[in-house]
Amino acid sequence: QKEVEQDPGPLSVPEGAIVSLNCTYSNSAFQYFMWYRQYSRKGPELLMYTYSSGNKEDGRFTAQVDKSSKYISLFIRDSQPSDSATYLCAMSTNYGGSQGNLIFGKGTKLSVKP
Amino acid sequence: NAGVTQTPKFQVLKTGQSMTLQCAQDMNHEYMSWYRQDPGMGLRLIHYSVGAGITDQGEVPNGYNVSRSTTEDFPLRLLSAAPSQTSVYFCASSAGEKGSPLHFGNGTRLTVT
Repeated sequence: QKEVEQDPGPLSVPEGAIVSLNCTYSNSAFQYFMWYRQYSRKGPELLMYTYSSGNKEDGRFTAQVDKSSKYISLFIRDSQPSDSATYLCAMSTNYGGSQGNLIFGKGTKLSVKP
Repeated sequence: NAGVTQTPKFQVLKTGQSMTLQCAQDMNHEYMSWYRQDPGMGLRLIHYSVGAGITDQGEVPNGYNVSRSTTEDFPLRLLSAAPSQTSVYFCASSAGEKGSPLHFGNGTRLTVT
């Protein structure tokens, strides 16, 4: 079993829909959870960052972590065509330094249709 | 702000050739790393460095060498290219402190024939 599992999609939704993206993981030592967004032919960029369990909201984006279930989610409200990208979950046992190497999911490709 | 700069953007090699992928960052970040991204495999860590003069292996280091002589630069060397090294390579850097994000370059697309 891979440490981080993510459904690759693709996922296609109409503009304005609520999008739910998810990852599961097996390593209970993960403490830092991130979501990266990657546009075509670009490098990933950090979208959301959460430490341990709980929710974090930033505009239309909400990240949730449930450590008891080893499950993380990213919700996008009022999705826009500009949200069309690949979304990568990533996690780490410690952020930064030699212990800060991220383990990435395979990414979910999202398409928001106007 | 240049951020993380990778060169070249594209490269085609023949099997057995060597080359160096360049990576430079202007954010004075201590931590730098190289990932490769393959369809269906996601991003996999090749090598990383926590500061000048210090490097270590990641998940898939075979066939690659790195060095870190300055804080700014972290080149990735392919000693004898193989078709299995056809991939998109991303360099990333971070301040290394808790909560600091990983900044990625825009990648080098490498094809080995």
